[in-house]
Amino acid sequence: NAGVTQTPKFQVLKTGQSMTLQCAQDMNHNSMYWYRQDPGMGLRLIYYSASEGTTDKGEVPNGYNVSRLNKREFSLRLESAAPSQTSVYFCASTGQGGYEQYFGPGTRLTVT
Amino acid sequence: GESVGLHLPTLSVQEGDNSIINCAYSNSASDYFIWYKQESGKGPQFIIDIRSNMDKRQGQRVTVLLNKTVKHLSLQIAATQPGDSAVYFCAERKGGANNLFFGTGTRLTVIP
Repeated sequence: NAGVTQTPKFQVLKTGQSMTLQCAQDMNHNSMYWYRQDPGMGLRLIYYSASEGTTDKGEVPNGYNVSRLNKREFSLRLESAAPSQTSVYFCASTGQGGYEQYFGPGTRLTVT
Repeated sequence: GESVGLHLPTLSVQEGDNSIINCAYSNSASDYFIWYKQESGKGPQFIIDIRSNMDKRQGQRVTVLLNKTVKHLSLQIAATQPGDSAVYFCAERKGGANNLFFGTGTRLTVIP
């Protein structure tokens, strides 16, 4: 099992550009999450999906959209990137009945 | 406001010594707590978790203690090794929530 995979690993965008971060898990987990991590800070939840077909806002959803494409995949889209969105983005998933989240390796995004 | 926080942002220990990383929480409704380890450039990795109906749980070289009276959580690492050098995060699940709330992290440095 690969666990949680994320693409790309690194990305540089100019202000105003758009992009989609991809996440997939092969653990048959129901819930998936997107976090951002800024220097010296903990993980802040952007959006989550409790199950296929549902998505909910987290703590910092502004400027982002998500799609739960199927049970395996959960993507995060930046429609018009801003320098404030420079961060490391992590995707995570949780199995049914559990709370432990399994994390991907992260995407380091820089917006200039 | 409610928060998950850490008493110390950095901790340095000698190889072979025991390490104790502390975490305070303020929400008495939190029913689940978890510790993650994050190495440089990687995603958070599960270490150990504990439910609020327990006050101690042990894993391999790690012990988590939960003191609900003072809303305090600690992670003890026995015989600390250089490979334990990382940032350690505590997180809590607030009762009924589908997601975790993370603290800012403590950087543990093991001195050979």
